[in-house]
Amino acid sequence: ETGVTQTPRHLVMGMTNKKSLKCEQHLGHNAMYWYKQSAKKPLELMFVYNFKEQTENNSVPSRFSPECPNSSHLFLHLHTLQPEDSALYLCASSHRDEQYFGPGTRLTVT
Amino acid sequence: KNEVEQSPQNLTAQEGEFITINCSYSVGISALHWLQQHPGGGIVSLFMLSSGKKKHGRLIATINIQEKHSSLHITASHPRDSAVYICAVQSNFGNEKLTFGTGTRLTIIP
Repeated sequence: ETGVTQTPRHLVMGMTNKKSLKCEQHLGHNAMYWYKQSAKKPLELMFVYNFKEQTENNSVPSRFSPECPNSSHLFLHLHTLQPEDSALYLCASSHRDEQYFGPGTRLTVT
Repeated sequence: KNEVEQSPQNLTAQEGEFITINCSYSVGISALHWLQQHPGGGIVSLFMLSSGKKKHGRLIATINIQEKHSSLHITASHPRDSAVYICAVQSNFGNEKLTFGTGTRLTIIP
């Protein structure tokens, strides 16, 4: 257990659905991240939040919309996704350059 | 060509063998991270190092900044070490953005 939780762990959604992924940490970390992990590809950074402010958007399509209401919670809102968006979505938080990862949400877009 | 290259991509060994996984990178870095990802997705940080060598139990990580190369060693390997090992580099201290390798899938056979 790293102290970072993610829900749901598995999600199947159609291309017209709207869903949200949730990440939570009570480690007192001020930086939080969303990553995408596709098969046979390196982890890709999607978004970074520092003290609730977005500091990095790695050219992510607008069908992915992050939200950080406070330093402990991070959401990824999903709408009109494509099948190629099927992947493992990982959340992380960091302290002194060390990152703590959640277990991930396995997303399948049908 | 990825900025972070790992070798081998897959490694199968017998229990008890000494394991070496290599990571080469092409950019200037402030730190290098070794991560472990078990089936199911969760990622755990093993080491963060910027010079020399670190040891934790049966795991040893070394880095040669001049040669832009790092190795992760596992002594007396055990089936529970079976996982994907990921190398990631950090360009600047305080800049949390990591660039990841594609990982090395390690399988230890009893």
